[in-house]
Amino acid sequence: GAGVSQSPSNKVTEKGKDVELRCDPISGHTALYWYRQSLGQGLEFLIYFQGNSAPDKSGLPSDRFSAERTGGSVSTLTIQRTQQEDSAVYLCASTPSGQTWDTQYFGPGTRLTVL
Amino acid sequence: AQSVSQHNHHVILSEAASLELGCNYSYGGTVNLFWYVQYPGQHLQLLLKYFSGDPLVKGIKGFEAEFIKSKFSFNLRKPSVQWSDTAEYFCAVTPGAGANNLFFGTGTRLTVIP
Repeated sequence: GAGVSQSPSNKVTEKGKDVELRCDPISGHTALYWYRQSLGQGLEFLIYFQGNSAPDKSGLPSDRFSAERTGGSVSTLTIQRTQQEDSAVYLCASTPSGQTWDTQYFGPGTRLTVL
Repeated sequence: AQSVSQHNHHVILSEAASLELGCNYSYGGTVNLFWYVQYPGQHLQLLLKYFSGDPLVKGIKGFEAEFIKSKFSFNLRKPSVQWSDTAEYFCAVTPGAGANNLFFGTGTRLTVIP
């Protein structure tokens, strides 16, 4: 079946512009995660959605970052007024139920470059 | 704060050599432990995981890992590596109750020379 998809695969933007990154999780998966991977770093948790519950935003690095998940499926991560330090690969993952032992299924990522 | 340490940043081995990649975590409570792998040009995918039961866990492609609670470790092993094991390996941890996200290590790049 189809896996997690993300778009665009690459995004180059100028400092100060806003960007939107999209994630389509596996159909039927109730939990969705966003992570960021900067050069030489591990994956850094950003935000978590589970069903209709309020999202866990504890990993968002600043108020320039926001995310929403519409209809319990597609999610959009928005970065406003981008800075050069936002350059990274942004990964999305989904799991069937959001249990802590669930396997996370990752998308291919969006590589964001802020000039 | 929760942290995951992978001390080997880049490991280079010849085919048929044995592999052990270290992973240590700082959380003192119940944990779920994972190894994910990213082959060149592919998505991150699960290699194996531990959440209860036998602390020696077997995963895909002949990999295994052992959870040693007293050492806060979950090292990954393979007795004989192949060229196709060239990839980046990430250890990850979630606390067993109430946590929503994975805490990842910085990854270990494995290069296997034919």
